[in-house]
Amino acid sequence: QVHLVQSGAEVRKPGASVRVSCKTSGYTFYIHGITWLRQAPGQGLEWMGWISARNGDTNYAQKLQDRFTMTTDSSTTTAYMELRGLKSDDTAVYYCARTMVIPYAVDVWGQGTTVTVSS
Amino acid sequence: DIQMTQSPFSLSASVGDRVTITCRASQNIDNYLNWYQQKPGKAPSLLIYLTSNLQSGVPSRFSGSGSGTDFSLTITSLHPEDFATYYCQQSYNIPWTFGQGTKVEVK
Repeated sequence: QVHLVQSGAEVRKPGASVRVSCKTSGYTFYIHGITWLRQAPGQGLEWMGWISARNGDTNYAQKLQDRFTMTTDSSTTTAYMELRGLKSDDTAVYYCARTMVIPYAVDVWGQGTTVTVSS
Repeated sequence: DIQMTQSPFSLSASVGDRVTITCRASQNIDNYLNWYQQKPGKAPSLLIYLTSNLQSGVPSRFSGSGSGTDFSLTITSLHPEDFATYYCQQSYNIPWTFGQGTKVEVK
């Protein structure tokens, strides 16, 4: 069975950085990409970016690309995201999700990681 | 960026009702339209991909249709577990964008 298990909740001050991990299991890691999304409290879903687990190719949301980095570690089948220069409106639940080839639909989601940015 | 507009924003329905949610793209997205369901406090789950393909394990009362710019999600007979928020998403162009969501509530 496919699982994506994310690291735990984080609290950061404005200007700090946060790194969230996404441990995958139950499938061949390099076949599927990983998408990162977030959801601010009471709001809808926001696509942040996608990374190929095969070759590390990335696509970033333009509004985030200066302070957002996605990586993967095939040896541990884990994906990571780092967001720097945190602002209060980065407060959200962050999701990693396995991404189907070609339809680019996200078919298996992590449980979400709450990141709170507060002084 | 491609804008995705869902309607209605919310709806009230009863168990057994037929429910239709629409999603309009600001430009042609061919059939690269996916639907997700999200329950409070939970991650979303994929219902339908490429407009009309039912994800494995999703009940057949869910169906999707459309092409180009206009799409719909239909639940033929609402079950108690279907009260949730539904999102459409285009995967035609980067950045992949979502509709604002449609909340299906108990009447």
